[in-house]
Amino acid sequence: DAKTTQPNSMESNEEEPVHLPCNHSTISGTDYIHWYRQLPSQGPEYVIHGLTSNVNNRMASLAIAEDRKSSTLILHRATLRDAAVYYCIRTNTGNQFYFGTGTSLTVIP
Amino acid sequence: DAGVIQSPRHEVTEMGQEVTLRCKPISGHNSLFWYRQTMMRGLELLIYFNNNVPIDDSGMPEDRFSAKMPNASFSTLKIQPSEPRDSAVYFCASSQRALAGELFFGEGSRLTVL
Repeated sequence: DAKTTQPNSMESNEEEPVHLPCNHSTISGTDYIHWYRQLPSQGPEYVIHGLTSNVNNRMASLAIAEDRKSSTLILHRATLRDAAVYYCIRTNTGNQFYFGTGTSLTVIP
Repeated sequence: DAGVIQSPRHEVTEMGQEVTLRCKPISGHNSLFWYRQTMMRGLELLIYFNNNVPIDDSGMPEDRFSAKMPNASFSTLKIQPSEPRDSAVYFCASSQRALAGELFFGEGSRLTVL
C-alpha cells in the first residue's frame, strides 16, 4: 500500500524544468517523503528525501507543501538521461518503502 | 565500495525447482529489503530486515517464499517450489538508516520459471 498518488506519465522538453507532483494527503507527522527513480533495465536509485523543509541536492529539489499533504520533485533542466519512472514514497515504522506505480517521465529532444 | 551485490543476475529454471537468490548488502548497512518487480504489479516489497531480524514479511506472497539473513553481510530469498508466476526481477536493497535513509539497490536477479 503506497499511500501516495502520482500521475501515470508526464512529458517534458529537453533542457526545460520538470515538476513531478505527488499527493500524500494521509501523511503523518513522522513520515519521511522519499523520491527514487528507475532507469530502464536498472534498479531504482535514490533522488532525494525530506521531512518538512524543502531540500536541494545535485540531482533535484524537493518542495514540500506547508501542510505536507503533497510534494513536488523538481528537475531543473531535464536531459534525455532523466527519462525514467519516478517514485514518491512515504516511510514510517508501519509503511516502509512501498513504491507504488510511479510517474513515467518522457523527455523530448 | 562495490555496492549491493546480487546473484545470479539471470536464472532460468523449470516449474517445481528450488530457486535461491543471494544478496550481499553494503558493509555497515543495517537494513535490507527484498523487492519483486513485474509489469503487472510493479515494484513490490517482499520483506524487510533490520539488524538481521525480519521486521515485516507481510509482502511475502505465500509459504513457497522464504528469506533469511544469517549475518550482516548475506541474505537469501528462496522459492520452493517455483512456479511460472514467480517470473520477475528480484531486487535487494540495503540502507544505513532504515526508513530515514537512502536505499541502495542491487542490479537485480531476473528469474524465469518455465
